[in-house]
Amino acid sequence: QVQLVQSGAEVKKPGASVKVSCKASGYTFTSYSMHWVRQAPGQGLEWMGIINPSGDTTSYAQKFQGRVTMTRDTSTSTLYMELRSLRSEDTAVYYCARLGSGFDYWGQGTLVTVSS
Amino acid sequence: EIVLTQSPGTLSLSLGERATLSCRASQSVSSIYLAWYQQKPGQAPRLLIYGASSRATGIPDRFSGSGSGTDFTLTISRLEPEDFAVYYCQQYGSSPPTFGQGTKLEIK
Repeated sequence: QVQLVQSGAEVKKPGASVKVSCKASGYTFTSYSMHWVRQAPGQGLEWMGIINPSGDTTSYAQKFQGRVTMTRDTSTSTLYMELRSLRSEDTAVYYCARLGSGFDYWGQGTLVTVSS
Repeated sequence: EIVLTQSPGTLSLSLGERATLSCRASQSVSSIYLAWYQQKPGQAPRLLIYGASSRATGIPDRFSGSGSGTDFTLTISRLEPEDFAVYYCQQYGSSPPTFGQGTKLEIK
């Protein structure tokens, strides 16, 4: 069965960076594009970006341009999202999601808390 | 970017009633790329409907989607206890993908 298992919660100080991982299993990792979506406390869903199946093409939401990098390691079927220059407004749950017909599978989410 | 506006913001209904949730787009959306998600507290979103009207794997047939162009609807025919949650529409045919702000379905 398809599973996306994300890394654990993180607490970071303003200005720091965070790198969240998402390990895929149960399907051919190199056949699907992957997205990252975040959700601030009590808020809606916000799209961050997409990485193509081979990992050589990314597209990021304008809001995160210059601060985010999405990569994937096909040898371990793992996706990564690094967000830099963190600020308090980046406190959120970060999700990876597979693009099938819709975002058909989601990771369990990783809470990133930015606090001094 | 395409803005999706969901209505109502909160919907209060009783068990067994019919729920109708609306999603209106700021410009035409290809139906192929219109999806609906359900999210319960502390959980990741779950895909319910893709292609505006196709149910995802394992989704009960009391959930149905319809619409085209700029107006889309999610209908839950007879509410079960597990259906009370927040529902989001999404378009992913035009970059950037966007989500509606959500409709909270609560028990009356």
